[in-house]
Amino acid sequence: TQLLEQSPQFLSIQEGENLTVYCNSSSVFSSLQWYRQEPGEGPVLLVTVVTGGEVKKLKRLTFQFGDARKDSSLHITAAQPGDTGLYLCAGPALKTSYDKVIFGPGTSLSVIP
Amino acid sequence: DTAVSQTPKYLVTQMGNDKSIKCEQNLGHDTMYWYKQDSKKFLKIMFSYNNKELIINETVPNRFSPKSPDKAHLNLHINSLELGDSAVYFCASSPLGDTQYFGPGTRLTVL
Repeated sequence: TQLLEQSPQFLSIQEGENLTVYCNSSSVFSSLQWYRQEPGEGPVLLVTVVTGGEVKKLKRLTFQFGDARKDSSLHITAAQPGDTGLYLCAGPALKTSYDKVIFGPGTSLSVIP
Repeated sequence: DTAVSQTPKYLVTQMGNDKSIKCEQNLGHDTMYWYKQDSKKFLKIMFSYNNKELIINETVPNRFSPKSPDKAHLNLHINSLELGDSAVYFCASSPLGDTQYFGPGTRLTVL
């Protein structure tokens, strides 16, 4: 069974600090996605990483896909209160005849002004 | 224009009642989904429809019955509601089965 694990589960930091959250699996994924979910809203896609070793930047957010395509990380530089939310990694399930996305349990980030 | 919309936003009901949640997407996507997010924020797929055809049915009690009248709509009917059904239910759509476009969610509370 493919599973995605995320760490830490909760993170509370001061504005201006840097942080990294992790997404890990024992299975290989063809791609991984990162979503952010703000309170009372649905998750919104931030990025998709496809190639092993790939690094993508989105303003202060840096995403990396592991060389073996089993893990990914999200690094936020100089966190701001607007970064507060639940960060979910997700990836397509393998060995299925239909399209299914598996989600990790999420990292809940709180940035304190 | 709202891409994926759900109604109602909040639903409070008694145990044993039957309720429905409606979802519409105007993105032209062929695939739509229902997810359940529990109190620990874990997001789990329930159903998926591709162009009105059921393609994913995870181990969900048969009290839950999805219906897709056309590829832009996917509704969820729940019979005999139980306390454990309390959660946030998200509708989503996808063009190719990868990127998920989520609705705002329906918070269901069963008393």
